[in-house]
Amino acid sequence: GQQVQQSPASLVLQEGENAELQCNFSTSLNSMQWFYQRPGGSLVSLFYNPSGTKHSGRLTSTTVIKERRSSLHISSSQTTDSGTYLCALGLNTEGADRLTFGKGTQLIIQP
Amino acid sequence: DAGVTQTPRHEVAEKGQTIILKCEPVSGHNDLFWYRQTKIQGLELLSYFRSKSLMEDGGAFKDRFKAEMLNSSFSTLKIQPTEPKDSAVYLCASSSGQNTLYFGAGTRLSVL
Repeated sequence: GQQVQQSPASLVLQEGENAELQCNFSTSLNSMQWFYQRPGGSLVSLFYNPSGTKHSGRLTSTTVIKERRSSLHISSSQTTDSGTYLCALGLNTEGADRLTFGKGTQLIIQP
Repeated sequence: DAGVTQTPRHEVAEKGQTIILKCEPVSGHNDLFWYRQTKIQGLELLSYFRSKSLMEDGGAFKDRFKAEMLNSSFSTLKIQPTEPKDSAVYLCASSSGQNTLYFGAGTRLSVL
């Protein structure tokens, strides 16, 4: 079965609303990363967050290991936040090898 | 510093052709990855190099896919022969061995 599941598959919000993206994993976690991909663009790393909560501007990532989940919260969304958000599960505590990616959440922020 | 550079950005091939995709990692990065991205399967790891040594050859992709890294600043992914099901975006990424992965813009391959 799939090791990394993301929900929802797509999300449409009005500008200014908050977005909550979920990532659930079925295996033991050693590392968790969140990436952002603009349509037709490359992936950009947002967070490396194997446990706990991290903040970056309007973004917050929370990983709860014992519950096997990680979330990405976007506050006061903007149209430029539109794109695909992917989480990736790593089997090693260091390095980026052998990442297993979820299929992503497509976020559309309408003006 | 330049990021990960992939060429070409777009490739159209006839079924049965051989195509070669190219990647230049971030200077100084020792880890290089090739991924394939489709809407149905998402991102799938094709190959992984550490210090030019092949660490992961992608299992099911071994048959017609071959990645090489002749030097630390250049890698190729050869698909031979191509099939329509190979149509996808091929992404190259590099890492310094720490936690952050840097991706190229990808090559969009269409096989007719």
